[in-house]
Amino acid sequence: RKEVEQDPGPFNVPEGATVAFNCTYSNSASQSFFWYRQDCRKEPKLLMSVYSSGNEDGRFTAQLNRASQYISLLIRDSKLSDSATYLCVVKEDSNYLLIWGAGTKLIIKP
Amino acid sequence: GAVVSQHPSWVICKSGTSVKIECRSLDFQATTMFWYRQFPKQSLMLMATSNEGSKATYEQGVEKDKFLINHASLTLSTLTVTSAHPEDSSFYICSALGTVRDEQYFGPGTRLTVT
Repeated sequence: RKEVEQDPGPFNVPEGATVAFNCTYSNSASQSFFWYRQDCRKEPKLLMSVYSSGNEDGRFTAQLNRASQYISLLIRDSKLSDSATYLCVVKEDSNYLLIWGAGTKLIIKP
Repeated sequence: GAVVSQHPSWVICKSGTSVKIECRSLDFQATTMFWYRQFPKQSLMLMATSNEGSKATYEQGVEKDKFLINHASLTLSTLTVTSAHPEDSSFYICSALGTVRDEQYFGPGTRLTVT
């Protein structure tokens, strides 16, 4: 079983739609959670951290369910520029290591 | 702040040669840096953790004699791919551990193609 699992992609979504990404993690001791965005042939960039109470940043909303070991990312009013691969990342605070999901590719179509 | 650079950004080399990739933290000191490898359509895979002044810690399955890591200063870590082969062709990304919130700051990556 993979430590961090994400929805397989790609997601093809029309511009303006709402899209949701799901992620599950296997280690219940995990303490920190993140969503990264990676454009083709570029390094991953931190999109947002995920807090227990859920958090929002503009059109992006992240939620965490510790009981189900589940993380989600919602993108509202999607833009063409949102096209990228979205990576779910988990960190066990006993060390600095990041555990990466395989990523879900999002394609926003006009 | 918290900028990490990598050099070169793209390199093509012949099979059997060695390639050195540099990772620099430009505006902060990083005692810990990480080296990742990413094959097409796959996620990042941690290769090793590089600590300034000590030996790197390699992940299982990564050959330490093939991927030489040197972290001689607080702002520079190098990864040398020795006797490169076509299967080593990949996107190599480094990150540096920040000092405030343990956040990792990523370099722009180095695309290695071995012919």
